[in-house]
Amino acid sequence: GAGVSQSPSNKVTEKGKDVELRCDPISGHTALYWYRQSLGQGLEFLIYFQGNSAPDKSGLPSDRFSAERTGGSVSTLTIQRTQQEDSAVYLCASSIGTSGRSNEQFFGPGTRLTVL
Amino acid sequence: AQKVTQAQTEISVVEKEDVTLDCVYETRDTTYYLFWYKQPPSGELVFLIRRNSFDEQNEISGRYSWNFQKSTSSFNFTITASQVVDSAVYFCALSEVSAGFKTIFGAGTRLFVKA
Repeated sequence: GAGVSQSPSNKVTEKGKDVELRCDPISGHTALYWYRQSLGQGLEFLIYFQGNSAPDKSGLPSDRFSAERTGGSVSTLTIQRTQQEDSAVYLCASSIGTSGRSNEQFFGPGTRLTVL
Repeated sequence: AQKVTQAQTEISVVEKEDVTLDCVYETRDTTYYLFWYKQPPSGELVFLIRRNSFDEQNEISGRYSWNFQKSTSSFNFTITASQVVDSAVYFCALSEVSAGFKTIFGAGTRLFVKA
């Protein structure tokens, strides 16, 4: 497809389990972003990747959260030992790059995570 | 540090009314970008506009217009003759060059347009 895709669309898990959320950015986009949106709230920045540079992890809420981006394309956000407060929609976005006029972001549909 | 404030949590208007969504930002950078995104009930965010800090020219796109004023650190968004399809959550966002284009979003303004 032409847009950003995320999988799964919905994930229900039990407290304490690990989960992996996947993001496929738009082909050719070098920047990839992860955000968290709790019910009725704004977007909370988590992490972003730009090309081969070290990712900006400044938004990750705890060391239970990690993300990687393989081959400069697909990204996986991993949450270990999930807690109920991790329940939210996790949004992924990509942009062409971070220079000049190219940094508007294109968002995926999100993964709705529910931790029971 | 970057910060974006959207003081209006919810706005309700009747169709054909004009409505302005406020956005105030804080930054120490001289070079930065401001954005507006729309999140309709379907959930997927859609990019509306980008402005860089050196371009204070206001912009109009159909029924949408944006007023960027550096003197008041504001980037307000006006919808003229609102329509039911404009009902959505609107987010203002800031991206600083010095922060490597990390983007901070405001809390959003939920707009209800009633027929």
